[in-house]
Amino acid sequence: GDSVTQTEGLVTLTEGLPVMLNCTYQTIYSNPFLFWYVQHLNESPRLLLKSFTDNKRTEHQGFHATLHKSSSSFHLQKSSAQLSDSALYYCALTSSGQKLVFGQGTILKVYL
Amino acid sequence: GGIITQTPKFLIGQEGQKLTLKCQQNFNHDTMYWYRQDSGKGLRLIYYSITENDLQKGDLSEGYDASREKKSSFSLTVTSAQKNEMAVFLCASRGTVYAEQFFGPGTRLTVL
Repeated sequence: GDSVTQTEGLVTLTEGLPVMLNCTYQTIYSNPFLFWYVQHLNESPRLLLKSFTDNKRTEHQGFHATLHKSSSSFHLQKSSAQLSDSALYYCALTSSGQKLVFGQGTILKVYL
Repeated sequence: GGIITQTPKFLIGQEGQKLTLKCQQNFNHDTMYWYRQDSGKGLRLIYYSITENDLQKGDLSEGYDASREKKSSFSLTVTSAQKNEMAVFLCASRGTVYAEQFFGPGTRLTVL
């Protein structure tokens, strides 16, 4: 079945440094939809980015990601981390449209 | 826009007790989901429903029942609460264009 791998459980950064959270996936379907969700403390997950177009950069709220089907990747990036970016980030995939498969999540902690 | 509401926000139960969680959405979405979120374990799908009176088991359905009597509501029952169980249960509904999911605020369960 489909799967999503987020290799880092915890990423810690100093404010102002670039952010990169890794996401790779496996699916037999050629047209998956990929998503990044962000979950702040005591809140529910909120959609941050989505993409289904190969090699096209998608951006929202300072974050960006590009779906690369050749490497089955959808890494989340930001040029300069802010304290308010501290949260839990999930990468997710759907190939059927009915079910989302989530990665284990990456906690991002940004310090002064 | 729309909103998903979950009741109750906090639920405290006793071991062996049957507990029911409720979810309502006014997006007019067809598909709804129940997830369980444990610390460090990501989001695990319990049940989902693609239309009124439909139920589909997820990866974690054992120990749970679900009910979708109306398009706008989806209930989850913990059939026998386990002692020391602590988790957040998230309800979601699926958008029609990109299959993104929108989450409710969650119900935090504690079993004494």
